[in-house]
Amino acid sequence: EAQVTQNPRYLITVTGKKLTVTCSQNMNHEYMSWYRQDPGLGLRQIYYSMNVEVTDKGDVPEGYKVSRKEKRNFPLILESPSPNQTSLYFCASNLGRRGRTNTQYFGPGTRLTVL
Amino acid sequence: QQPVQSPQAVILREGEDAVINCSSSKALYSVHWYRQKHGEAPVFLMILLKGGEQKGHEKISASFNEKKQQSSLYLTASQLSYSGTYFCGTGLIQGAQKLVFGQGTRLTINP
Repeated sequence: EAQVTQNPRYLITVTGKKLTVTCSQNMNHEYMSWYRQDPGLGLRQIYYSMNVEVTDKGDVPEGYKVSRKEKRNFPLILESPSPNQTSLYFCASNLGRRGRTNTQYFGPGTRLTVL
Repeated sequence: QQPVQSPQAVILREGEDAVINCSSSKALYSVHWYRQKHGEAPVFLMILLKGGEQKGHEKISASFNEKKQQSSLYLTASQLSYSGTYFCGTGLIQGAQKLVFGQGTRLTINP
């Protein structure tokens, strides 16, 4: 089954404790991205990757890091989480340059709470 | 810059119609519509490409006016299952990988 998976689905942590949220897709998609969703603000892009070893900042990158060492994986790293990073996070992927319409496929989401 | 959706929220009775609008300040190549149920991932509904086409999906259809940089989503004879938050995502160029999403429109359908 074609899908985007994220882990963990729920995470409660404390300020300053490094964490990683994993994202994996099995559709051989080139383009992957991370969004955060906050009430009233919709989906805002954090980082994106156009292919292996190619990443760039989205609209709200402060406090986050990413890496793309393999095509299928795109982890989101919070080196020193703060309470304002409490949010619902979605990973998404699409075909990339090969895709004319580039429909985004979203993972199930990770609800992060930073105390 | 985020596209602007209107209305922000709407409450309907089952069987009524709804229109959700998405406006951008930038020229668009594509508009994608998604629906999200509470606590779940956004689910793709349809995409409209530059050319002013209108698409339909059962009782849900959409139009795209690229001159006005606007798209509208039409829900006809709404069903309870249509409840959720609707997002438009805009692409600026053909094959654009990045989508910029609106803030969402919460649709509630009551029996």
